[in-house]
Amino acid sequence: DTEVTQTPKHLVMGMTNKKSLKCEQHMGHRAMYWYKQKAKKPPELMFVYSYEKLSINESVPSRFSPECPNSSLLNLHLHALQPEDSALYLCASSQVDQGAYEQYFGPGTRLTVT
Amino acid sequence: EDKVVQSPLSLVVHEGDTVTLNCSYEVTNFRSLLWYKQEKKAPTFLFMLTSSGIEKKSGRLSSILDKKELFSILNITATQTGDSAVYLCAVKGLYSGAGSYQLTFGKGTKLSVIP
Repeated sequence: DTEVTQTPKHLVMGMTNKKSLKCEQHMGHRAMYWYKQKAKKPPELMFVYSYEKLSINESVPSRFSPECPNSSLLNLHLHALQPEDSALYLCASSQVDQGAYEQYFGPGTRLTVT
Repeated sequence: EDKVVQSPLSLVVHEGDTVTLNCSYEVTNFRSLLWYKQEKKAPTFLFMLTSSGIEKKSGRLSSILDKKELFSILNITATQTGDSAVYLCAVKGLYSGAGSYQLTFGKGTKLSVIP
């Protein structure tokens, strides 16, 4: 199984809502990533988890709150978002970097903030 | 600050042409360079390169890395309309202070293959 799954595929939320994005992989990868991608731009790194611990937070606003409950799951909790947060949110996973391993991406969640 | 520069930014070719996409980089503690193809949503992994001078091939696609000159090229021969996509180059380097590796993407090359 070389798949990273993400749910939901699409999400529309108001600025006062609280929602969560979910990501799952069963490749035994112990590094997981959240990226944000705006139209016609490459993905921007948001967070990196290594062995279920947050190792990188790329100065992301606190209205985005990541969580890694176990080695297969990664969540991104959303609260009080702004319209400019509308984007494609991508999850990826890889083996932890003791070597140069590739990242596998999920299909993404298309988020629209109204 | 890590930097990845891709050229050209966009390219239009006819079916059957051969194309070369370029990626140059400046990265702290280089670990690997990755090529992705992005059509609609998530990037699809193509190649990972870690050693200089060793060509990776997959069908009509091939890629090579030059760690001395800090660049990589992605070649596509006998292009087809299905090759139309954005090709992303990303470089993995050490993220100082956190003990983790960060993937830095270039802006991508948009390839359009016309019949």
